[in-house]
Parts: sequence; C-alpha cells; structure tokens
Amino acid sequence: QSALTQPASVSGSPGQSITISCTGTSSDVGFYNLVSWYQQHPGKAPKLMIHEVNKRPSGVSDRFSGSKSGNTASLTISGLQAEDEADYYCCSYAGSSDGVFGTGTKVTV
Amino acid sequence: QVQLVQSGSEVKKPGSSVTVSCKASGGTFSAYAINWVRQAPAQGLEWMGRIIPIVDVANYAQRFQGRVTITADKSTATAYLELSSLRSEDTAVYYCARGVASTWWFDPWGQGTLVTVTS
Repeated sequence: QSALTQPASVSGSPGQSITISCTGTSSDVGFYNLVSWYQQHPGKAPKLMIHEVNKRPSGVSDRFSGSKSGNTASLTISGLQAEDEADYYCCSYAGSSDGVFGTGTKVTV
Repeated sequence: QVQLVQSGSEVKKPGSSVTVSCKASGGTFSAYAINWVRQAPAQGLEWMGRIIPIVDVANYAQRFQGRVTITADKSTATAYLELSSLRSEDTAVYYCARGVASTWWFDPWGQGTLVTVTS
C-alpha cells in the first residue's frame, strides 16, 4: 500500500479556516467510507479527531469537520486557534484487513 | 474509560527481536481490536497490524508479513507486538491503539514505546 498523499504543510492565521486534503485511490479512500483523521502534537501520541469520513468523537471541538469527494478526503479546521498547531494524519481502510496512513501535514498557526 | 499502557523503551542489536506490550485497563478488552502503528524519527505513521482478542485473529500489513507477530492474553488484557530480524530502519516509536473490528479508526492510543536498533 502506498501512503495517502497530503500537503506537507498548511498555515493560517488565528480565526481563519484551513483545509487539509488526503488523496488516495479508488481502492481505499474512494471505495470505503472509513477515513479517519488524527492530530499529533510533538512528542505525543496521535489523537482521533474524525472517523468514518465526517463523524466527530465526543469531546472533539465542532471546529473540526471532515468530508470526502471521490478519491480525496478533507479535514477542515475553522476558527483556527494556536492549540491547533500540530501534525495531522489521515488514514483509510484499504480492504483485506489492511489500512494506510497519509504522509502527514504540519499545520502552522 | 479505557487506557492503554505500554512497556518501556528498548535498545536492540541488528538481527535480534523485540517484544512490546500494551496493557488495557478500564474497559472491555476482548471485544475490540488492538492495532499497532509505528513512527520512525521525524516520519509519518505506519500501520503494522492488529489482533481481535475475542476471536484471536491477527492481520498484518503486507510489508511486515513474516517478521511481525501480534498476540493477546485475555486473562491480563494485554496485547503484544513481536518484531524479528531487526534492522536500523526499525528504529521508531511503536504505538498500540484500540479499534473497532468492523470499522477502521483508532482510539485511544498508548503512550508509545521507543525501540532503538543499534550495533
């Protein structure tokens, strides 16, 4: 499995909205509605932010939202805050009990 | 709520094997999947495999087939990752993370275990 493609970095000012893309293929992102997103601060374990394309776990701010179109999934962070500065990874199921992560995106506020 | 606590850092020589443990507390262990994900220094996340303790079935990422073994002890709510034939490229932080067998997301995660492979 090849890693899903994400932009290396995305930046925005406080209060702005940013969108991170995650491009896969018709065998993973495009086929399954099993895309999740993770936030990782330096030296910390990843944290689940979105699952099943657009579902937000309890406790995650509603400033985070997910969507998918074709082979590309997206994570949007609205009302950008300093605490959102972190690395973000997408992940998709790829069939046959296998999965693949994205290349990761560094968000700078 | 469930918490995953992993074993401590390891330093290993090339060609040897390492076993990392992941103990669950505060929730139902057997009904969920325990996944293993690694992260090499300054690199991204890489899914390695998972086990569903209730049926004792393990699945592995193709690139690790034959070198990784994931097991679980239901009596102690602990999952194990064994990686053999270690090479320097296996130097990474190894995470365990709970998942739901019928879907594909990981929450919560363990604190991570640093495995360093050096001669």
